[in-house]
Amino acid sequence: GENVEQHPSTLSVQEGDSAVIKCTYSDSASNYFPWYKQELGKRPQLIIDIRSNVGEKKDQRIAVTLNKTAKHFSLHITETQPEDSAVYFCAARGPPAENTGFQKLVFGTGTRLLVSP
Amino acid sequence: GAGVSQTPSNKVTEKGKYVELRCDPISGHTALYWYRQSLGQGPEFLIYFQGTGAADDSGLPNDRFFAVRPEGSVSTLKIQRTERGDSAVYLCASSKRGGFGVSVYKDTEAFFGQGTRLTVV
Repeated sequence: GENVEQHPSTLSVQEGDSAVIKCTYSDSASNYFPWYKQELGKRPQLIIDIRSNVGEKKDQRIAVTLNKTAKHFSLHITETQPEDSAVYFCAARGPPAENTGFQKLVFGTGTRLLVSP
Repeated sequence: GAGVSQTPSNKVTEKGKYVELRCDPISGHTALYWYRQSLGQGPEFLIYFQGTGAADDSGLPNDRFFAVRPEGSVSTLKIQRTERGDSAVYLCASSKRGGFGVSVYKDTEAFFGQGTRLTVV
């Protein structure tokens, strides 16, 4: 099945700096890659996603890039603000299950981003 | 409701006891997912419902875990003979349609509840 690795586990930046979080996936058949933000004690929320027919997607200060050949994708946050502090999870939609055809989301282990004022 | 609601928000139980965790999805969402999030880890898939039926339960760790969704709305995750290793945050999510990211439209976006923190002592 699909396996997603995420780095770094912790990232500290100064307000205004950029932050980059990287993920790799194992199954070349995966074709959908969302990113979730989870603030302390709150629910994960989708912030951006990308499909495999696109190499880059941007939404204001956040962007995601995808390299299908290398099987890695990255989240880029520019002009970071203290409210960006949270745990960020990448995910990949894995291959169809043999018996059901369902493609589940497989999550990375998360990156704790701390933005200092 | 406005979002996915999970109850209770916290549950402390003794080892060996039975627990039920409830999920109220967003009204009209046919797909419902249960995930488990251990400390310092990403959410781990447990089970997916499409309507009333469990379309994929391959993530349930063993037969002590069971989930139902009898009317295609509210779902209950049931854990028998709880063990300390079951301690985690149990997340529920729902989407209008099943299958993540299968459509160019946002109807497959999964919205998560705030989770139930289960502690087995």
